[in-house]
Amino acid sequence: QITLKESGPTLVNPTQTLTMTCSLSGFSLRSGGVAVGWFRQPPGKALEWLALIFGDDTKWYRPSLKDRLTITQDTSKNQVVLTMTNMEPVDTATFYCAHKDRSMTDFDYWGQGTLVTVSS
Amino acid sequence: SYVLTQPPAVSVAPGQTASITCAGNGVGSPSLHWYQQKPGQAPVLVVYDDSLRPSGIPERFSGSKSGTTATLTISRVEAGDEADYYCQVLDGTPDVEFGGGTKLTVL
Repeated sequence: QITLKESGPTLVNPTQTLTMTCSLSGFSLRSGGVAVGWFRQPPGKALEWLALIFGDDTKWYRPSLKDRLTITQDTSKNQVVLTMTNMEPVDTATFYCAHKDRSMTDFDYWGQGTLVTVSS
Repeated sequence: SYVLTQPPAVSVAPGQTASITCAGNGVGSPSLHWYQQKPGQAPVLVVYDDSLRPSGIPERFSGSKSGTTATLTISRVEAGDEADYYCQVLDGTPDVEFGGGTKLTVL
């Protein structure tokens, strides 16, 4: 059974760096072709993709946010970590991670999401 | 990158059929997927690869595509179908894009 669970701070100060962790269960990024993506959703707004990492450590980033994002994997802990620098109030959102199967382009399993508020 | 345009809202009476469109504007015609998101919950995949249904999704949910416009059709709509629906593509740029979402209201 595939599950993902996000963890991280619920409140960050402006200009700080956000670090979010996605803990994987029921699969490993070492399974060829599998990937994990990060997404965000500001309150009342649409979903937005942020980053994607494959088992071979290939990384994709949203072009408009590329300079602020870093996605990494910790295979020993079966986790994927996203960092986002220079957080601003407009970055307040629920952050999700999700699983993408090999050769597919959809995201079939999602974590429950974590709301991160940026405020002083 | 690919741009996906959805109507902001669709309303339908219970038992009727709801159709939600997603118009694509970009290079090529990548496979398109649909997600249902209820308030306070994570998205759930309801249609993938334009017209395929994941296991556990009712047959009332179907997808189709003509050219660069895809349609999610929900037959015999129930109150529990009230949710936001998002379309999504992964293109070769590489980039992952979602539509702006459609709020389905069951009257």
